Amino acid sequence: DSGVTQTPKHLITATGQRVTLRCSPRSGDLSVYWYQQSLDQGLQFLIHYYNGEERAKGNILERFSAQQFPDLHSELNLSSLELGDSALYFCASSVYDRDTEAFFGQGTRLTVV
Amino acid sequence: EDQVTQSPEALRLQEGESSSLNCSYTVSGLRGLFWYRQDPGKGPEFLFTLYSAGEEKEKERLKATLTKKESFLHITAPKPEDSATYLCAVQVQGGSEKLVFGKGTKLTVNP
Repeated sequence: DSGVTQTPKHLITATGQRVTLRCSPRSGDLSVYWYQQSLDQGLQFLIHYYNGEERAKGNILERFSAQQFPDLHSELNLSSLELGDSALYFCASSVYDRDTEAFFGQGTRLTVV
Repeated sequence: EDQVTQSPEALRLQEGESSSLNCSYTVSGLRGLFWYRQDPGKGPEFLFTLYSAGEEKEKERLKATLTKKESFLHITAPKPEDSATYLCAVQVQGGSEKLVFGKGTKLTVNP
């Protein structure tokens, strides 16, 4: 158990809908990262928050947004969902904002039908 | 563009048959190279971080090494429980703290 908690574990929704994925980082970790993993693309970086502030963005679609709250948990919001958004979404956390390993949660499997 | 390429894509070994996985990278400046293990349907599990060429780290049957262009994950006398996908990732200097991942090597160890 990495100490990073993601909910829900599975999510099935229809195209055009909006969902929210939640991540609780390890105790004491200030950084939260979101990654998307699909079969053909591998793990792709979406966004990084450090202590409530956005630090970096990857190839995150405009339909996707995230935030980190004062208690350091983070939410990833996905809207106007398309079939191609079906993937595993992982959250990772680390202590500092650089040079430390990131620990991953178990992921949320999103299926868009 | 920063790139990470892992080979082979898949590897089948007999129990006890040692081998190596390769991770080659092209980055503007390497801050760190990370190895993770991922079991099906699970999140990546951290194994090693390497920071400079010549560095080596070991954990049980695994040993990771780093050169200026690539990293190797050596697996000595593997057991069936070592079966997993092994992911390599790099963190780039001067940029964000994101990890750029390779697509992984799926290792199967047969008893």
